[in-house]
Order: sequence, then structure tokens, then C-alpha cells
Amino acid sequence: KQEVTQIPAALSVPEGENLVLNCSFTDSAIYNLQWFRQDPGKGLTSLLLIQSSQREQTSGRLNASLDKSSGRSTLYIAASQPGDSATYLCAVRGHTGGTSYGKLTFGQGTILTVHP
Amino acid sequence: DGGITQSPKYLFRKEGQNVTLSCEQNLNHDAMYWYRQDPGQGLRLIYYSQIVNDFQKGDIAEGYSVSREKKESFPLTVTSAQKNPTAFYLCASRRGAEDTQYFGPGTRLTVL
Repeated sequence: KQEVTQIPAALSVPEGENLVLNCSFTDSAIYNLQWFRQDPGKGLTSLLLIQSSQREQTSGRLNASLDKSSGRSTLYIAASQPGDSATYLCAVRGHTGGTSYGKLTFGQGTILTVHP
Repeated sequence: DGGITQSPKYLFRKEGQNVTLSCEQNLNHDAMYWYRQDPGQGLRLIYYSQIVNDFQKGDIAEGYSVSREKKESFPLTVTSAQKNPTAFYLCASRRGAEDTQYFGPGTRLTVL
């Protein structure tokens, strides 16, 4: 059974700092990995999706890397801003015997606070 | 303006009652999903549907039921058999050939 773990559970940084969020998964047979952002009391917004054949994806100040063999992914946020404050969730989609329903297994999230 | 809507935003239920959470999408997506989120935890899959008139149990389906009579609608009923229903419920959809799931704004259910 796939398990996804995110470290740290919470992170507080001053504005402008570069930071790294970590995600690890137990079964390396994944189809892809996704990073989501969730604001308090809201739904999820997809930030980056990395296919299993890719090593990284970039969007603006965000860069996500994937090391499938070691079961790890990192989300790098450059020059953090107070508006980046949110919960960041990592989710993996596994190969499931040919089905394509796209089941995602989520980590518990990292709560990020960027203070001015 | 395409997207996923969930209603109501907040829902209160007395013990022993069934309640139904609404999820509607106008993205023309085939697949739809229901997740439950508890404080400090990730999302857990309750039910999913790949196509109209078909749905499958997820990891925590006990005490829940769904229907998929229309492509754009996937309502979730929380029955009295669900022992601890207080949680944040999120609906999502995905186009058949696309990997990203799009999420609604969620419904917070509280049992009084």
C-alpha cells in the first residue's frame, strides 16, 4: 500500500527566504506526482505535475524535482512571499493494474507561514 | 466560467440523520471523485466515478453512498452509519485523458 509522508509538518520563514518542502513515498511504481496548494477552508489548486519519466518541473518561483528510485520529491520555493502562506500537499498517482481512474494518495501536508 | 461547485459550504447534521452533499461540474469531465480531509491529514478517497451510471468504492466508503445519473453531477450522501462524519469534504473531477484533478471549494460537515 502506497504511503506518502511530508516533512516538515509546519514551517515558518521570513519573507524573501528560499525554502524546500519534502515528500517521500514508499512505492516507487508511480505514474506521476503532483504538488497542490490549499488555502485555509478552501479546495486544492494544482501547482506542478511531474510525470514518472521526468526529473523536474518549473513554474515561476516554484521548482519540483522527482527521484523515483529513492521515492522522494522536493518543492523548492524561491524568494518566498507572505502570499505563499498555505498548506502544500504532495500526491502520487500509482500504476494500478491497468485501471485508469487516477487514484491519488496524499501526504498530510506542510503548513507554510511566510511572515513579513 | 467553468469549474466545480460544491454546496452547501457549511452543513450541520444531527446524529442519526442522512445528509447529501452536492457536487456539480461544467468542465465536461468524465471522472469525478469524493475525498474526505481531517485536520492534519491528507485527503482520503471515498468514492469515484469514471463514467455516468458507474461508480466505485475508494478507501473509506463505509457509511457513504453516491450516484452518477448525470455527467455533471456526483452527489455524496453521508448516512447515519458513518460513525465519525465531521470532516471537510472535497469533490474533484478529471478529464479522461488528462492527469490533473480539479477540486471544488469543499463542504465542511459538522455533526451536532
